[in-house]
Amino acid sequence: NAGVTQTPKFQVLKTGQSMTLQCAQDMNHEYMSWYRQDPGMGLRLIHYSVGAGITDQGEVPNGYNVSRSTTEDFPLRLLSAAPSQTSVYFCASSSGTGLDYYNSPLHFGNGTRLTVT
Amino acid sequence: EDKVVQSPLSLVVHEGDTVTLNCSYEVTNFRSLLWYKQEKKAPTFLFMLTSSGIEKKSGRLSSILDKKELFSILNITATQTGDSAVYLCAETSGTYKYIFGTGTRLKVLA
Repeated sequence: NAGVTQTPKFQVLKTGQSMTLQCAQDMNHEYMSWYRQDPGMGLRLIHYSVGAGITDQGEVPNGYNVSRSTTEDFPLRLLSAAPSQTSVYFCASSSGTGLDYYNSPLHFGNGTRLTVT
Repeated sequence: EDKVVQSPLSLVVHEGDTVTLNCSYEVTNFRSLLWYKQEKKAPTFLFMLTSSGIEKKSGRLSSILDKKELFSILNITATQTGDSAVYLCAETSGTYKYIFGTGTRLKVLA
């Protein structure tokens, strides 16, 4: 059982480049989300989705786009990378649905370490 | 805006000690509080708490929620070096978001 799979594990970008971080889950989870983790800042929510075709902004959405065309995949796009986006990015999913989403814990992928120079 | 505050920020203990980690929250429409352990990679789930006063227990770890005073504690008894990690708490409310605190870094010395 693969769970939540993130690719790539590491990435180095130059300022202004764009890229997509991939996230796939095989647990048929409706809820998916993206976090960034910086030293001393904990996990900060970038975007989340409660099902295919539905996405919304989290705490720090600027500079990032998401889409959810299937239940399994939730890619995160960096439109024009900046050094401030150097971070570790985690994708997470939950089996919670609708208003009962909070009854289920998040399951995390192993993260993508991104460096923007 | 929902907020989660963890204390202490870091803690160093010796094997065999008991530790208590704190998580306080300010949320509207609270739903649940979750604890995670993060070693080198992904956070792993420990507990989910939704009701006040009911202790959740797993081996040497236990946790309890106080919805009146808006906090939760995570206790680890007879600590081992393998307990060294960052411990994160998160809350959920009516907004479809899991909001995390900054974590407590625990180091257990042999």
